[in-house]
This record gives sequence, structure tokens and C-alpha cells, in this order.
Amino acid sequence: EPEVTQTPSHQVTQMGQEVILRCVPISNHLYFYWYRQILGQKVEFLVSFYNNEISEKSEIFDDQFSVERPDGSNFTLKIRSTKLEDSAMYFCASSPPRANGYTFGSGTRLTVV
Amino acid sequence: AQSVTQLGSHVSVSEGALVLLRCNYSSSVPPYLFWYVQYPNQGLQLLLKYTSAATLVKGINGFEAEFKKSETSFHLTKPSAHMSDAAEYFCAVSEKDSGTYKYIFGTGTRLKVLA
Repeated sequence: EPEVTQTPSHQVTQMGQEVILRCVPISNHLYFYWYRQILGQKVEFLVSFYNNEISEKSEIFDDQFSVERPDGSNFTLKIRSTKLEDSAMYFCASSPPRANGYTFGSGTRLTVV
Repeated sequence: AQSVTQLGSHVSVSEGALVLLRCNYSSSVPPYLFWYVQYPNQGLQLLLKYTSAATLVKGINGFEAEFKKSETSFHLTKPSAHMSDAAEYFCAVSEKDSGTYKYIFGTGTRLKVLA
């Protein structure tokens, strides 16, 4: 079964540093997403991406965050100048052109120290 | 705006007993509804989804959920709990905006299965 692949699975970074979280969506999917789950809390929408541009972003997704599809296969989330409160599990997801359910990746656990 | 409420942040059942995890949604349009399971330190796995076809939806691992429009509910059930069902379960509603489908998740229910 096709999978969404996220790398790395764990990342530890110092406060103020930039991190890039990487995702390889399913090849024939057209919609891409990032979600965040702070430890012990619910999963929250960050951003959706379609046709090489952001379709929607949440209040969480401020200027500190950016997304990019640098080539035909990768989808990245960049967090500039990380803060302690950015520590969370970040999930990438992709979907075909209908809302029949995403496929989520297994997540990247980001720890900011 | 759409929302999801999961009643009970923690649910404990005995092995072999019925599992019932509650989810109520709020939506002004016909929703798409989902249940996801998250095992410790793992990602989100789709259990089942409702996309306006049959109201009783069967998923993986013996779980099923029934969409009840009159009650705005989408409760998850399993007739007989197994130890391996211990996990966190998230209900989600899909909201279409700008051509994409954003998910709104509930706060999750942690299921504990007692031997």
C-alpha cells in the first residue's frame, strides 16, 4: 500500500535554529498538508498546499513557517528560529482530489531545547 | 465552523467487553467523518471513514461506526475489546475550504483495556 514518508523520525534542535521537515507524499496525490500535535494535545491543522501554492493556513502557521515543494516528489516544512513551544509531532499528509481520507505519514518528533 | 467533540478523554474496558467511543460533530454541510487510531509513539492510522454512502461504516480491526444525522454523532464501536486495542483514538470531520479538505480533530480518547 502506498505510504507517505517523513524524515527524520526524530529531530532535536537548539532554540533559534532553523529546521526542515521532509515528506514524500503518495505519487498521484495532489493535495498536501502539515499538521501538528503537541504532546498530549489534539492534532491541529497547519497548512494545505495545492498546485504549488498554499491553499489555506491556520493561525499557527505564521511567518516563522513556510512550505515548499522543491521538486516533483518532496514536500517540506521549514521552521525558522525555532522556539521551545514548537516542540511537537509534525505530521505530513496527502490526498487525492476528493475528501475520501488522507494518508498520514508516521510523523517527525521535533524537540527544541 | 465545523467542530468535533469527543466525550471522555479516557475510557477503560475489560478485555472482551464492548468498546464505545463517542464523537459528536457540528457541521452546516454534510460532513465527511473519520476515526483515526494512534498507538504510542506512532503516527495516525485510518480506522474508518464516512463519506455519505452507507451510514454504518466498517473499518479495520473489527471497528465500526454509525453516522446518525439526527444526533450529529459518529460513535466508534467494537463488540469485543482486545488488549491490542489500547491506543488513542481521534475523531475528525472534514471541512472543505478553498478546494482542499481540512480536518478538524477531536481531543482524542485514550482507550485502556484491562485484562
